[in-house]
Amino acid sequence: LAKTTQPISMDSYEGQEVNITCSHNNIATNDYITWYQQFPSQGPRFIIQGYKTKVTNEVASLFIPADRKSSTLSLPRVSLSDTAVYYCLVGAKEDNDMRFGAGTRLTVKP
Amino acid sequence: ETGVTQSPTHLIKTRGQQVTLRCSSQSGHNTVSWYQQALGQGPQFIFQYYREEENGRGNFPPRFSGLQFPNYSSELNVNALELDDSALYLCASSLLGQEKETQYFGPGTRLLVL
Repeated sequence: LAKTTQPISMDSYEGQEVNITCSHNNIATNDYITWYQQFPSQGPRFIIQGYKTKVTNEVASLFIPADRKSSTLSLPRVSLSDTAVYYCLVGAKEDNDMRFGAGTRLTVKP
Repeated sequence: ETGVTQSPTHLIKTRGQQVTLRCSSQSGHNTVSWYQQALGQGPQFIFQYYREEENGRGNFPPRFSGLQFPNYSSELNVNALELDDSALYLCASSLLGQEKETQYFGPGTRLLVL
């Protein structure tokens, strides 16, 4: 499974756009990229998943360059409630385990 | 709300005891995975069950075992508890067979071993 690297922490202010980049230099051809959000004492919550180019849903956008060696989770106009840990995961369809790293702790300030 | 429920929410045990944690999968899902999350760390994969059989295992000793029932609910059993087993235990359900399965997590059970 490809290893991922994310910043340990990030700070932002309410109303700003936040971009969290994840590096996955050894991503394989059949790997997908998935992002989860986790609040304290809760289970991770699926945010978005993509394979290439750009994916957008009601919560976030995921940008994946052509070489797929990195990806960027974009959260538009964050609020205080977006303060959480964000995990980037890379894995193939047949992988039955998801390998979480330490994630990025996002703190949104008023 | 993911539709995945876990019980109990909190549990305190002493070293050497045994514990059983329970998980009800989201409706329509046929696979359940269990994770251990120590404080300040990301979840670590314990094992996955599909059609009532183990379908992959992480780096956990045999005293961690599981069951999946015909209704796709699941149990995680841990024998001979150790202090380091104190953690948040998460279960996640998914539908195997999708192009890329997405796992939906429950709220977790926080286990404290004294």
